[in-house]
Amino acid sequence: DVKVTQSSRYLVKRTGEKVFLECVQDMDHENMFWYRQDPGLGLRLIYFSYDVKMKEKGDIPEGYSVSREKKERFSLILESASTNQTSMYLCASSPTGRSGNTIYFGEGSWLTVV
Amino acid sequence: AQRVTQPEKLLSVFKGAPVELKCNYSYSGSPELFWYVQYSRQRLQLLLRHISRESIKGFTADLNKGETSFHLKKPFAQEEDSAMYYCALRSSAGNMLTFGGGTRLMVKP
Repeated sequence: DVKVTQSSRYLVKRTGEKVFLECVQDMDHENMFWYRQDPGLGLRLIYFSYDVKMKEKGDIPEGYSVSREKKERFSLILESASTNQTSMYLCASSPTGRSGNTIYFGEGSWLTVV
Repeated sequence: AQRVTQPEKLLSVFKGAPVELKCNYSYSGSPELFWYVQYSRQRLQLLLRHISRESIKGFTADLNKGETSFHLKKPFAQEEDSAMYYCALRSSAGNMLTFGGGTRLMVKP
């Protein structure tokens, strides 16, 4: 059974702090993603990675960066947290290829910036 | 650019009533369409995808390329269907999913 694990479920950080959100998948998937989920806006892609050390910007990369040093781990970094980054963050992974490939999600990390 | 629109933020029906969650998309190529569901306090999970032409938990969805729609339907709603539903599109270019804004389905007893 595919497992995508986000280590922090609930975080409260102060404005200006540097924040790390960690995600690990155990199915040797090439692709990993970070989304944020906001009411009425659905899920918006922040960054994705299709291989170790490779990254591509999604729809809303501003204020975020990512790191993928190992295939199973994909980290989202908020260099200087702001209140408008209060949100639910979802990590996901999928194998390479298209038809029929499913994207698997983690349980999410609730981040509140005060 | 690809876009997914779910016009209803909230849909409330009584148990046993038919339900249709609307999804429209814009994409110039051949997309793959999906429905994801998120039950209370659970992770987002795949409900169904158009290429499988399957019925899951009584739900079906047909891709209508002429109307660029992928509406989710169930003839008789159950209380356990109450959840957040997201329509998503994957382009032919890669593995990214573009999501709609989501529809919260509430099935009342």
